[in-house]
Amino acid sequence: EVQLVESGGGLVQPGGSLRLSCAASGFTFSGYWMHWVRQVPGKGLVWVSRINSGGTSTTYADSVKGRFTISRDNAKNTLYLQMNSLRAEDTAVYYCASGHSSSYNWFDPWGQGTLVTVSS
Amino acid sequence: EIVLTQSPATLSLSPGERATLSCRASQSVSSYLAWYQQKPGQAPRLLIYDVSNRATGIPARFSGSGSGTDFTLTISSLEPEDFAVYYCQQRSSWPITFGQGTRLEIK
Repeated sequence: EVQLVESGGGLVQPGGSLRLSCAASGFTFSGYWMHWVRQVPGKGLVWVSRINSGGTSTTYADSVKGRFTISRDNAKNTLYLQMNSLRAEDTAVYYCASGHSSSYNWFDPWGQGTLVTVSS
Repeated sequence: EIVLTQSPATLSLSPGERATLSCRASQSVSSYLAWYQQKPGQAPRLLIYDVSNRATGIPARFSGSGSGTDFTLTISSLEPEDFAVYYCQQRSSWPITFGQGTRLEIK
């Protein structure tokens, strides 16, 4: 069964850091681009970042550029999102998602999400 | 950034009825448009990609159409499990963007 499981969310103070992880199983993780997408509870979906299959190329939304770093460990089948200088507006559920077999930039499957709350 | 505008914001229909959801792009996205379904407390699920291709396991009652800037998701006959929020997404240019969603609710 194809599965993505996020972890690492929680409560952090403004200016703080957090690292999210996404453990993949049931597919050849090293063959797919991976993405992070976030969603403020009750609101819409916002793409955050992507990384290519080899981990050599990344792209970020302007809102997180310079503060967030996406990375992957293909030996461990795990995707990461290092989040620094966190702001209240970063509060959201963070989903990891795999690129689809037809295109790197369709998202399928998705993890169940992990909630990040930035508050003092 | 390409802005995707979905309409209506909320659609109230009964099981068995036909649902038509719209997504309009601020500039052409060619055929690089997908649709997702999200139920409460769940992650989104890919329904349709490249305008009209159904993802694995998606029932035939879901169909997509359109090109350029105007796209439609049609659900031919609503089942109880179809009541959810639907998002469109473009991959034509960075950043990848989503529409704000259409909530499909039971009338």
